[in-house]
Amino acid sequence: KAGVTQTPRYLIKTRGQQVTLSCSPISGHRSVSWYQQTPGQGLQFLFEYFSETQRNKGNFPGRFSGRQFSNSRSEMNVSTLELGDSALYLCASHSGQGSEETQYFGPGTRLLVL
Amino acid sequence: EDQVTQSPEALRLQEGESSSLNCSYTVSGLRGLFWYRQDPGKGPEFLFTLYSAGEEKEKERLKATLTKKESFLHITAPKPEDSATYLCAVQAELTGNQFYFGTGTSLTVIP
Repeated sequence: KAGVTQTPRYLIKTRGQQVTLSCSPISGHRSVSWYQQTPGQGLQFLFEYFSETQRNKGNFPGRFSGRQFSNSRSEMNVSTLELGDSALYLCASHSGQGSEETQYFGPGTRLLVL
Repeated sequence: EDQVTQSPEALRLQEGESSSLNCSYTVSGLRGLFWYRQDPGKGPEFLFTLYSAGEEKEKERLKATLTKKESFLHITAPKPEDSATYLCAVQAELTGNQFYFGTGTSLTVIP
């Protein structure tokens, strides 16, 4: 079974630009979460989507948004980029439900904002 | 407030020197506690899920245990290839089953 794929793997943008990151979950998984990982803060939860609906949202500004398509693929968008948005953005594909739920992560997209 | 704290932040071991990593948590309704391994530049790799106090799981040189307040990841006779950052996460029932991650323990095993 193919794992979680994320594109692009690396991205360089300048302040004020916007960026869209893509995630394809493991086949059959309907739920996807996004995280931001920085050296000082660790993994910070952005949002979770299940069957095209946002199910959970972390404490990030409205510049961070996401969506999920009918084939479970997900995208996240960051508008008006700031230097502090430089991070590794990780997508996790969820297996199971409720107490049997486990997350499997993709390789991440490394975003550098100059 | 739901919180996960890992210690130590960094650990250096000689090859073969066993040790334990700690993950302490406060969470409103624990659904599960998860351990991940992360290599530099890669996404976290799932290792274990523990659901209730007293539960233990093993995989090769790794053994995870769970109490009502903390989890330990025991590493027996580590090898250099066990060098990585080990992340702990909890899934909280009362906050929409959200996952909360600790900041990790960076393990270096010296040959």
